[in-house]
Amino acid sequence: AQSVTQLDSQVPVFEEAPVELRCNYSSSVSVYLFWYVQYPNQGLQLLLKYLSGSTLVKGINGFEAEFNKSQTSFHLRKPSVHISDTAEYFCAVSEISGGYNKLIFGAGTRLAVHP
Amino acid sequence: ETGVTQSPTHLIKTRGQQVTLRCSSQSGHNTVSWYQQALGQGPQFIFQYYREEENGRGNFPPRFSGLQFPNYSSELNVNALELDDSALYLCASSLTGGGYGYTFGSGTRLTVV
Repeated sequence: AQSVTQLDSQVPVFEEAPVELRCNYSSSVSVYLFWYVQYPNQGLQLLLKYLSGSTLVKGINGFEAEFNKSQTSFHLRKPSVHISDTAEYFCAVSEISGGYNKLIFGAGTRLAVHP
Repeated sequence: ETGVTQSPTHLIKTRGQQVTLRCSSQSGHNTVSWYQQALGQGPQFIFQYYREEENGRGNFPPRFSGLQFPNYSSELNVNALELDDSALYLCASSLTGGGYGYTFGSGTRLTVV
């Protein structure tokens, strides 16, 4: 079974600074990778996804992620964060098993942007 | 294009009771998945429905069951509630399989006392 490791449980950062949220996955076969954001008391919103093709994926709200197959990583980056980016971020990998598809999530990284 | 809607948003139940949570999938999506998110954790896959049949299940006991209706909406039923069932329950819809991504609802916060 696949697994996802988010290397930082919390990341504090000042407003307008760059940020990187790290994610590693276990599978060495073809994967679909996702980053979701969860604001307090809300569901999950898709930030971006990697299905195939270019390893640099651009998403909403200025976020981007780079797929690195050799390092089995899919780190999320933003060059300049805003207070409004304060939220929980989840990395997920799509696993195909028994003819159906499910998402395996990491434990999450809490991004706290300070003024 | 409507998103995924879940009801109710919050619910308090007593241990041993039964609960039904509801989900309307995004227009055009034929697959519904349910996830449990305990406090401070990532979502965990409960099960998936496609064409009104359960086609995949995670590591959850049989007291967690579901339904999918012809309009692709879905229900999650939990019997004999336990305190550890307290969590945010998320519904996600997708086109067949979900490999291209899921659309999540805002969730139902279930508290078991």
